[in-house]
Amino acid sequence: NAGVTQTPKFQVLKTGQSMTLQCAQDMNHEYMSWYRQDPGMGLRLIHYSVGAGITDQGEVPNGYNVSRSTTEDFPLRLLSAAPSQTSVYFCASSYSAYPTLSTEAFFGQGTRLTVV
Amino acid sequence: DAKTTQPNSMESNEEEPVHLPCNHSTISGTDYIHWYRQLPSQGPEYVIHGLTSNVNNRMASLAIAEDRKSSTLILHRATLRDAAVYYCTSSGDMLTFGGGTRLMVKP
Repeated sequence: NAGVTQTPKFQVLKTGQSMTLQCAQDMNHEYMSWYRQDPGMGLRLIHYSVGAGITDQGEVPNGYNVSRSTTEDFPLRLLSAAPSQTSVYFCASSYSAYPTLSTEAFFGQGTRLTVV
Repeated sequence: DAKTTQPNSMESNEEEPVHLPCNHSTISGTDYIHWYRQLPSQGPEYVIHGLTSNVNNRMASLAIAEDRKSSTLILHRATLRDAAVYYCTSSGDMLTFGGGTRLMVKP
């Protein structure tokens, strides 16, 4: 099993450009989520999904869109990149989300994004 | 989701036990307590989780207070490789993280 795979590992964008960060898992996990981590800070939840076709906002959703058309994939779209979105982005997945997260979450290795 | 409170940093000597505390006073009855750690330049990794009873695995032990308002992660013999930021979280249908505790291990 590959686990949670994030692509790309590094990306530089110009202000105003759009892009999609990819996240895929091969563990048939229901729960998937995206976090951002600014230098020296903890992780902040952007969006999450408890199953295909279901998404919800986390703590810092503005400027980001997500969709979950399949169980395996959970892409994160930056609509119009801003320097404030410079961060490391982590994707995570977990087997079960109902009624609460009762299983361990697996994290990808991160995408380091710089917006200039 | 319940908020968690952890000390910003802790220090330990190598091969000694480490007790990392976490307060989660607003936890609901069905929320699990999860612990993750993040090594430098890596994604977070799972350490342990539990609901009410104390839990043990190959990495650590988790002691949960009877009222579930606090928990303690126990590393039985700290090694230099255990130096990381440790996050405690209590999850509803989403997993959120606070600032965590930076553990420094001295040789």
